[in-house]
Amino acid sequence: EVQLVESGGGLVKPGGSLRLSCAASGFTFSNAWMSWVRQAPGKGLEWVGRIKRKTDGGTTDYAAPVKGRFIISRDDSKNRLYLQMNSLKTEDTAVYFCTTDIPGGAFDSWGQGTLVTVSS
Amino acid sequence: SSELTQPPSVSVSPGQTASITCSGDKLGDKYACWYQQKPGQSPILVIYQDSRRPSGIPERFSGSNSGNTATLTISGTQAMDEADYYCQAWDSSTVIFGGGTKLTVL
Repeated sequence: EVQLVESGGGLVKPGGSLRLSCAASGFTFSNAWMSWVRQAPGKGLEWVGRIKRKTDGGTTDYAAPVKGRFIISRDDSKNRLYLQMNSLKTEDTAVYFCTTDIPGGAFDSWGQGTLVTVSS
Repeated sequence: SSELTQPPSVSVSPGQTASITCSGDKLGDKYACWYQQKPGQSPILVIYQDSRRPSGIPERFSGSNSGNTATLTISGTQAMDEADYYCQAWDSSTVIFGGGTKLTVL
């Protein structure tokens, strides 16, 4: 059974940094493309970015609102996905979900999410 | 980048068919997928690659995508299908989500 467990959320001041982690199990993590998706309180879903598997280059893509501030990385030896968030803004307040990507561009497994609150 | 437009809400009677649309420029040229999200829960993929159902998703969920519109159809809608539904597609190496549709079963 695929399991994705996010951690690292919390309260941070504007301009601050936070690193989220996603522990993966139940599948071959190193073969997976992974994404982060967020959801502001009471709002819809917003893609944050993705990282390809190393055999496909391990490259990353980001949504425009976070490009240059957020960095996605992975540690295949630990089956972990990371989201380093810098220069945080109040509009980054959201639940952040870790997801697996499948061919065709859908997100087929989701974690339970971790809440990030950016507030002074 | 493109936008995906969904109706904010759709109502359906139990046992009837619910259709939720998702409109975007040349959406039919891309793969569309759909997610169901109930309050306090993570989204669940219900349709991918326009019309394919993941394992475990009931047959009453179906999808289509042509022209500028993708459609999620729920046949024989049940009370348990009441939820928010989001469409999603890729456009120019970025993901776009629709704004979501609240499906009410009454």
